[in-house]
Amino acid sequence: EIVLTQSPGTLSLSPGERATLSCRAGQSVSSGYLAWYQQKPGQAPRLLIYGASNRAPDIPDRFSGRGSRTDFTLTISRLEPEDSAVYYCQQYAASPGTFGQGTKVEI
Amino acid sequence: QVQLHQSGPGLMRPSETLSLTCTVSGTSVRNYHWSWIRQPPGKSLELVGYIFSSGTPHYDFSLESRVTISVDTSKNQFSLTLTSVTAADTAFYYCARLYTDMTTIDGYFGDWGQGTLVTVSS
Repeated sequence: EIVLTQSPGTLSLSPGERATLSCRAGQSVSSGYLAWYQQKPGQAPRLLIYGASNRAPDIPDRFSGRGSRTDFTLTISRLEPEDSAVYYCQQYAASPGTFGQGTKVEI
Repeated sequence: QVQLHQSGPGLMRPSETLSLTCTVSGTSVRNYHWSWIRQPPGKSLELVGYIFSSGTPHYDFSLESRVTISVDTSKNQFSLTLTSVTAADTAFYYCARLYTDMTTIDGYFGDWGQGTLVTVSS
């Protein structure tokens, strides 16, 4: 299975700053089949990005994804207090689909 | 707007059978693919399995001897059954809509249920 490693483990930033989250795959993720999710405490995950760079409906444009093969990035361009959450990447190019261990963003 | 609402018990004894149901509103359950995902407290997410719009299920290899996912179109629901539970099955269980172009068997997840914490303890 494809192992996804997210870094950093925790990111502490101020409102208005830019957050850059990394997701590195142990093998190439073909066709950019990578998604990003946001999970706030006590809530279900919410889809942010699919296909490496496509924003899900109703997701603000300050969230953007890019990358290919083994290196993917989620960027939050101007942090707002409500962006405090754990962010997970997930690959669905190879079965079984797998998730990273998460990056916690503290604001 | 598609909404998913989960129901089922939160506390179980070892060796019992877990049954969770996800009721779909805003669309017909027969039109899309559906999934179950779980998350041990404080940990990351794990796939449990899917059921495709064709009615064909797909299960995670580590669970496939114990898990069944089925659809009830008359109630617009889909369900998860997990037999012989142990403490290792303690987790938040989520239902979600599976998005896949079917070029791979997997996909990504939108339209999540609210989650159910299932605790297995004697």
